Amino acid sequence: AQTVTQSQPEMSVQEAETVTLSCTYDTSESDYYLFWYKQPPSRQMILVIRQEAYKQQNATENRFSVNFQKAAKSFSLKISDSQLGDAAMYFCAYRSANTGNQFYFGTGTSLTVIP
Amino acid sequence: GAVVSQHPSRVICKSGTSVKIECRSLDFQATTMFWYRQFPKKSLMLMATSNEGSKATYEQGVEKDKFLINHASLTLSTLTVTSAHPEDSSFYICSAEGQDYNSPLHFGNGTRLTVT
Repeated sequence: AQTVTQSQPEMSVQEAETVTLSCTYDTSESDYYLFWYKQPPSRQMILVIRQEAYKQQNATENRFSVNFQKAAKSFSLKISDSQLGDAAMYFCAYRSANTGNQFYFGTGTSLTVIP
Repeated sequence: GAVVSQHPSRVICKSGTSVKIECRSLDFQATTMFWYRQFPKKSLMLMATSNEGSKATYEQGVEKDKFLINHASLTLSTLTVTSAHPEDSSFYICSAEGQDYNSPLHFGNGTRLTVT
């Protein structure tokens, strides 16, 4: 099974500053998808951003962007101009495009935004 | 679009009773639904994969006779915790994906189960 590693259990950032959450994964496949999900205190899982492995261009969604390094199997999330509402658990997820449709989640990073 | 409704959001039951949790895709057809369990401040643990019209596929270590999953239609999957025990107390989350293999997971709001 693929493994997804988030090495930062907790992170904090000052409001309006930028923070980067790291994620690495282990796979022998060449075609897959990567996601970042946000889980606020309400426990609702919210899709933040997604990246197709075959695309070289890094995905961007407003203040959220990724740094996808396929050779290094790294998929970090950058949050710019952090807002109080960004405080949440963030989960990195991997999904194979070839061998099934299961999602593999990392252990999560708890992000605190300091006013 | 892509709304997944999970009900109930909270349930308290006594040991030995059974509890059913429903997961509905409201505006799309979900060929596959996933059931996760999440412990406090932990990641999502996949319990089983539910495909419409067929038996669910359970992850290793998950008792299929205890956690009954039914996916009778393209919009509804149910998880029944049978003969619940206090150690079954947890947060259960369902998710669904549409027929587009490229689609992300859409999650329900989760169910907080407390077994007394």
